[in-house]
Amino acid sequence: DAKTTQPNSMESNEEEPVHLPCNHSTISGTDYIHWYRQLPSQGPEYVIHGLTSNVNNRMASLAIAEDRKSSTLILHRATLRDAAVYYCILRDVNSGGSNYKLTFGKGTLLTVNP
Amino acid sequence: DVKVTQSSRYLVKRTGEKVFLECVQDMDHENMFWYRQDPGLGLRLIYFSYDVKMKEKGDIPEGYSVSREKKERFSLILESASTNQTSMYLCASSLYRGLRYGYTFGSGTRLTVV
Repeated sequence: DAKTTQPNSMESNEEEPVHLPCNHSTISGTDYIHWYRQLPSQGPEYVIHGLTSNVNNRMASLAIAEDRKSSTLILHRATLRDAAVYYCILRDVNSGGSNYKLTFGKGTLLTVNP
Repeated sequence: DVKVTQSSRYLVKRTGEKVFLECVQDMDHENMFWYRQDPGLGLRLIYFSYDVKMKEKGDIPEGYSVSREKKERFSLILESASTNQTSMYLCASSLYRGLRYGYTFGSGTRLTVV
């Protein structure tokens, strides 16, 4: 899988927007961009994914650069419950076999201040 | 919502014991996975299964085996538990390749081997 780069940590204040960046300069045309988060003492949780266009769902928005070499996960109003490690992962839609696995990097630890 | 249920949240076992970790999903997903998560090492794939009775080794299969006799259930077996298998174990499932729709994780089993 192509590699992603994320900041180790970020801080935000409650009820403010948060923009979590991810760089993926070696992304291929068939790589989907997935975001997961892991709350303390929980398993990872799917957040959102996209290929080329910006995406919105009830949890977050995903903004994808026009050249697809970077993306940003946007939490519109951070709450204390959004404090988690956020992982940006690329998955090739054409891969199979052992490439079924998700490969997690270190992610970004988001701290939300009250 | 898809649920992935892991049979135990916390488990303490003795060195040399045979340990079974059970995982059940309720959405007819083809793929199921076992990861372990350790501080500083992140999530690492142990085994996965893409169909009943089918399995493939992940990145760290040594000391583990798996069983998938029914589509909804995927068991991780520690043949002879050792202290270096003390870890958080996470089960996940996905529809088809999980590339477009995401993976669903269980809450994890924290295993301590003494």
